[in-house]
Amino acid sequence: NAGVTQTPKFQVLKTGQSMTLQCAQDMNHNSMYWYRQDPGMGLRLIYYSASEGTTDKGEVPNGYNVSRLNKREFSLRLESAAPSQTSVYFCASSDLPGDTEAFFGQGTRLTVV
Amino acid sequence: KNQVEQSPQSLIILEGKNCTLQCNYTVSPFSNLRWYKQDTGRGPVSLTIMTFSENTKSNGRYTATLDADTKQSSLHITASQLSDSASYICVVSAKTGANNLFFGTGTRLTVIP
Repeated sequence: NAGVTQTPKFQVLKTGQSMTLQCAQDMNHNSMYWYRQDPGMGLRLIYYSASEGTTDKGEVPNGYNVSRLNKREFSLRLESAAPSQTSVYFCASSDLPGDTEAFFGQGTRLTVV
Repeated sequence: KNQVEQSPQSLIILEGKNCTLQCNYTVSPFSNLRWYKQDTGRGPVSLTIMTFSENTKSNGRYTATLDADTKQSSLHITASQLSDSASYICVVSAKTGANNLFFGTGTRLTVIP
């Protein structure tokens, strides 16, 4: 049982480049989330998808777009990367919207230079 | 404003010693509170959940408490082990809304031999 799988694990981008972070879960969860984690700031919600076919903005959505491709997959796209987007990104899923028992991926460490 | 504050920010203890981590919240209406453990380079993993009616819950060497009146929770670790070195994150859920999770910034625990 893989749980939540994120790719890639590490990425270095130049300012202005674009990339997509992939996330897939095999637990048949309805809700999926993208967070970023910065030192001293904890986890902050970027976007979430309460159920297949819906997406909503979280606390820090600027500069990002998401796609809920199907029930399993939820991708995060940076259209024009900026140094302020240097962070560790976590994908998570939960059975129900707002359920505190979220299952997290291993994270993607992104550096924008 | 819904907030979750954790203390201390970091803690260093000797192997075998006990420690207590604190979480204060102002989230309302309160649904539940969950403690996560995050190992370095990994995603958070749930340790325990506390609902409104629960005062104490144990999971092995971890004991969580909740005082819903004062809006405080603690996580007590007994007979610490080197593998307890991690960040511990308190997450509080509000009863309403899909975007209703509030994260603390975590306590970084280091257990030294």
